[in-house]
Amino acid sequence: EAQVTQNPRYLITVTGKKLTVTCSQNMNHEYMSWYRQDPGLGLRQIYYSMNVEVTDKGDVPEGYKVSRKEKRNFPLILESPSPNQTSLYFCASSDFADTQYFGPGTRLTVL
Amino acid sequence: AQSVAQPEDQVNVAEGNPLTVKCTYSVSGNPYLFWYVQYPNRGLQFLLKYITGDNLVKGSYGFEAEFNKSQTSFHLKKPSALVSDSALYFCALMDSNYQLIWGAGTKLIIKP
Repeated sequence: EAQVTQNPRYLITVTGKKLTVTCSQNMNHEYMSWYRQDPGLGLRQIYYSMNVEVTDKGDVPEGYKVSRKEKRNFPLILESPSPNQTSLYFCASSDFADTQYFGPGTRLTVL
Repeated sequence: AQSVAQPEDQVNVAEGNPLTVKCTYSVSGNPYLFWYVQYPNRGLQFLLKYITGDNLVKGSYGFEAEFNKSQTSFHLKKPSALVSDSALYFCALMDSNYQLIWGAGTKLIIKP
């Protein structure tokens, strides 16, 4: 089944404790992206990647890192999480300039 | 500047009635538009897209959208609403850097 998977689905952590949210797609898509969704703010892009080893900042990259060492994986790294990073996070992938397909989301709470 | 607007935070429709969720856009050049749906505690699901061609685009779950270039609109429609259509709907525009610009979302509530 063609899909985008994210892990974990739910995570509660404390301020400053490094964490990684994994994202993987099995559709051989070149493009991958991370978004956060907050009430009243809609979807905001954090980082995106057009291909392996190519990443670019989105609208709200501060406090986040990404890497794209393999085509299928695009992990989101929070080196020192803070409470304002409490949010619902989505990974998405697509062929270039085409429909994006989303993962199920990761609900992160930073205490 | 490129932008997308969903003018209604919430739309209420009785089951069986037609529904419309509005989206307007601003772009230089030809628009590339999408509709997505988000059910509670789920990810976003693709409904339909407009690239070029027919102004009436048909999508999943019986939804369709009408592209209107003169009114710069891309409204989502369904002839007969179901309670199960209750969800959050997002309109998006692909910008010149191939990134999606998202509307704020419209909560659709279908009442039995």
